[in-house]
Amino acid sequence: AQSVTQLGSHVSVSEGALVLLRCNYSSSVPPYLFWYVQYPNQGLQLLLKYTSAATLVKGINGFEAEFKKSETSFHLTKPSAHMSDAAEYFCAVSEVFGNEKLTFGTGTRLTIIP
Amino acid sequence: DAGVIQSPRHEVTEMGQEVTLRCKPISGHDYLFWYRQTMMRGLELLIYFNNNVPIDDSGMPEDRFSAKMPNASFSTLKIQPSEPRDSAVYFCASRPGTGGSNQPQHFGDGTRLSIL
Repeated sequence: AQSVTQLGSHVSVSEGALVLLRCNYSSSVPPYLFWYVQYPNQGLQLLLKYTSAATLVKGINGFEAEFKKSETSFHLTKPSAHMSDAAEYFCAVSEVFGNEKLTFGTGTRLTIIP
Repeated sequence: DAGVIQSPRHEVTEMGQEVTLRCKPISGHDYLFWYRQTMMRGLELLIYFNNNVPIDDSGMPEDRFSAKMPNASFSTLKIQPSEPRDSAVYFCASRPGTGGSNQPQHFGDGTRLSIL
């Protein structure tokens, strides 16, 4: 069964510093991978997705993620944090073949320090 | 374009009452998903539909929960009778049928349910 692990339920970075949110997946074959962001009292919004076309994926709001098969990772980065990036971030995986479910990680709450 | 629309946004009711949550997916989307989010259990998939047909309801916690999709533009999640442990935020999401499972799901803003 597929799964994702997000290391660190809370991450704090200073404004202007690098943001790094970690995600590792477990799947028998390279899956599709997604990062979602959730702002307070809102639903989840797609940041970016990996679908095997390119290992480095660029998303909205300056975020990007790199798929590394050898490390089974899909970490999310942003070179310079902005106050508006404060939110909860979820990594998710779906199988290329099979059921249509998305399996979500437990989330990482990102706090930006002024 | 209108996104996924959920109603009500907030619901407070007493234990034992029937609760009905509503969802209007994005027009043209063939898949509809119901999730529950709590601090303790995170985001859980309850049930999903394809072309109005329930495909997997293995996440529905108990018989008190039921979901229907009478047509392509409307779905309900019902809890009867409700219990305090059902308090959570319930999300509906939809996605297109074409393109496979690499298509992202689009989420509504959720219904915050409190059972007293």
